[in-house]
Amino acid sequence: EDQVTQSPEALRLQEGESSSLNCSYTVSGLRGLFWYRQDPGKGPEFLFTLYSAGEEKEKERLKATLTKKESFLHITAPKPEDSATYLCAVQYSTGGGADGLTFGKGTHLIIQP
Amino acid sequence: DTGVSQDPRHKITKRGQNVTFRCDPISEHNRLYWYRQTLGQGPEFLTYFQNEAQLEKSRLLSDRFSAERPKGSFSTLEIQRTEQGDSAMYLCASSPVKDEQYFGPGTRLTVT
Repeated sequence: EDQVTQSPEALRLQEGESSSLNCSYTVSGLRGLFWYRQDPGKGPEFLFTLYSAGEEKEKERLKATLTKKESFLHITAPKPEDSATYLCAVQYSTGGGADGLTFGKGTHLIIQP
Repeated sequence: DTGVSQDPRHKITKRGQNVTFRCDPISEHNRLYWYRQTLGQGPEFLTYFQNEAQLEKSRLLSDRFSAERPKGSFSTLEIQRTEQGDSAMYLCASSPVKDEQYFGPGTRLTVT
């Protein structure tokens, strides 16, 4: 059973068309939820860490929010350079990999000019 | 540039051969992690070190895999008797505390 589920798997937007990516998780004892961006052939690039429900963080055109069961990555007026795979990961206090991150499969985002 | 470096960036090997990868973390980061990523999947946790101590190993880390961090600085990941199923991107990450992890560019392994 997947502990971290991201949707949609792929998303194609026009430049300037705002949208949201979803990350739902089923783990208990959440210690942190992380968002990363990954470009093809490269390692993930850290974006945000969220620790508790209600928390929000922003960076340029991106805003991440957290509830008790899911997180959203909102992208406002995206540009073609925002095209990438966005990965969500959780760190939790029980289970294997207590300090390792458990990742979802990612959302492949394409922004068309 | 996250500051984590990995070497080599690409490795092609024949089935049955041994391979070793190196990771140099961001200086003064005492936590170091190894992950494996296959196409279309998110990274999967393999193991982590705090300084030179290996504190956690995933069940994905079979007996053919071994990792070391001898002086609490760089780390190596060795795969013995490689199999085609080992083909993947091997990612290293480092962290100063129990928070965000910074990833390197990865080593792409192809087993033929």
